[in-house]
Amino acid sequence: KAGVTQTPRYLIKTRGQQVTLSCSPISGHRSVSWYQQTPGQGLQFLFEYFSETQRNKGNFPGRFSGRQFSNSRSEMNVSTLELGDSALYLCASSTWTGDVGGSPLHFGNGTRLTVT
Amino acid sequence: KNEVEQSPQNLTAQEGEFITINCSYSVGISALHWLQQHPGGGIVSLFMLSSGKKKHGRLIATINIQEKHSSLHITASHPRDSAVYICAVVTPGGGADGLTFGKGTHLIIQP
Repeated sequence: KAGVTQTPRYLIKTRGQQVTLSCSPISGHRSVSWYQQTPGQGLQFLFEYFSETQRNKGNFPGRFSGRQFSNSRSEMNVSTLELGDSALYLCASSTWTGDVGGSPLHFGNGTRLTVT
Repeated sequence: KNEVEQSPQNLTAQEGEFITINCSYSVGISALHWLQQHPGGGIVSLFMLSSGKKKHGRLIATINIQEKHSSLHITASHPRDSAVYICAVVTPGGGADGLTFGKGTHLIIQP
């Protein structure tokens, strides 16, 4: 069974640009959640999607958005990039329970975004 | 918001030693995850538990719901266990703060 696939693995962008990251979940998993990891703040929850609808959202500004497609693949977008957005972005797939993290999480290898 | 504290932050031990990593939280939870992150970033889910104890190979996770505390134990530690271990708690109905992570424990096992 294929694991969670995130693309691209590395990305370098300039302040003010926008970026789109992609996540393909494990087959059969319909919930996809996104996380930001930085040395200062650690891991933080961004948002969760199930059945093409955002079900939960973390405490991040509106510049961070996402969507989910009918095949459960998900994308997240960050607009007007800031230096502080440099981070490892991880997605995880799981079965849906209504609560974020309510079932075992299967993580991708992440996308490392550097904003210059 | 659930406050999650992990200890120790850093731990260096010799191969073969028994390792304990602790996680405490401030608000009642429905479940707790233990995660392992190797250099390079990928995260592996080790355990998800809501009560009692779970064991997988040399790893044991326990949780005491009344005391709001969980421990991760590694028996007969090996250099390949070197990684960052992160606990995460699930607060039911927590919305934006429904899944909260500890800062992680950086473990180094020396041969």
